[in-house]
Amino acid sequence: QSALTQPASVSGSPGQSITISCTGTSSDVGAYNYVSWFQQYPGKAPKLMIHEVTNRPSGVPDRFSGSKSGTTASLTISGLQAEDEADYYCSSYTISDTHVFGTGTRVTVL
Amino acid sequence: EVQLVESGGGLVEPGGSLRLSCAASGFTFSNAWMSWVRQAPGKGLEWVGRIKSKVDGGATYYGAPVKGRFTISRDDSKNTLYLQMNSLKTEDTAVYYCVRNRPFGCYWGQGILVSVSS
Repeated sequence: QSALTQPASVSGSPGQSITISCTGTSSDVGAYNYVSWFQQYPGKAPKLMIHEVTNRPSGVPDRFSGSKSGTTASLTISGLQAEDEADYYCSSYTISDTHVFGTGTRVTVL
Repeated sequence: EVQLVESGGGLVEPGGSLRLSCAASGFTFSNAWMSWVRQAPGKGLEWVGRIKSKVDGGATYYGAPVKGRFTISRDDSKNTLYLQMNSLKTEDTAVYYCVRNRPFGCYWGQGILVSVSS
């Protein structure tokens, strides 16, 4: 199972919107609506930001949103803030009853 | 408050074995599906495997790099998840996280470092 493909880095100025893509295959992202997004600060455990493509857990700001089209999922951060600077990973359930993570994206707030 | 606390990490030689534990609290552990996820130094996240609850059959699933070498188990009487790691390789060096599922990744432990080196 190959890792899902994410851009290595994305940057934006405070207040701007950025979008991180997560490209998989018909065996994972394209097969189910079980795509999640995680935020990770250096030296810390990841935190769930989006699950099942579009759902935000309690406490996650509504400027984080998720979507999916075919075999590509996306995470959009609207109104970018300095605290959003972190690594972001997508993950997907697969037809093999396993999970696969994306390659990870470093978000930089300029 | 949900808490997941890993223990049992450390330095082990290639070919050796190690067992990680994850003590869970703040939720009904016996109903939970649980996973292990690892992260090699400076690298991305990698799914290790999952165990279903006993009421859902208790089946286990593993990622290709660890299949046949790692075993996930649980003791619901102790609210504890385990990861038995055998035939360890240098590429197994990573921080190992205990993770609650449904949804996948809703809660994470703080992680425990496993170093495989001679």
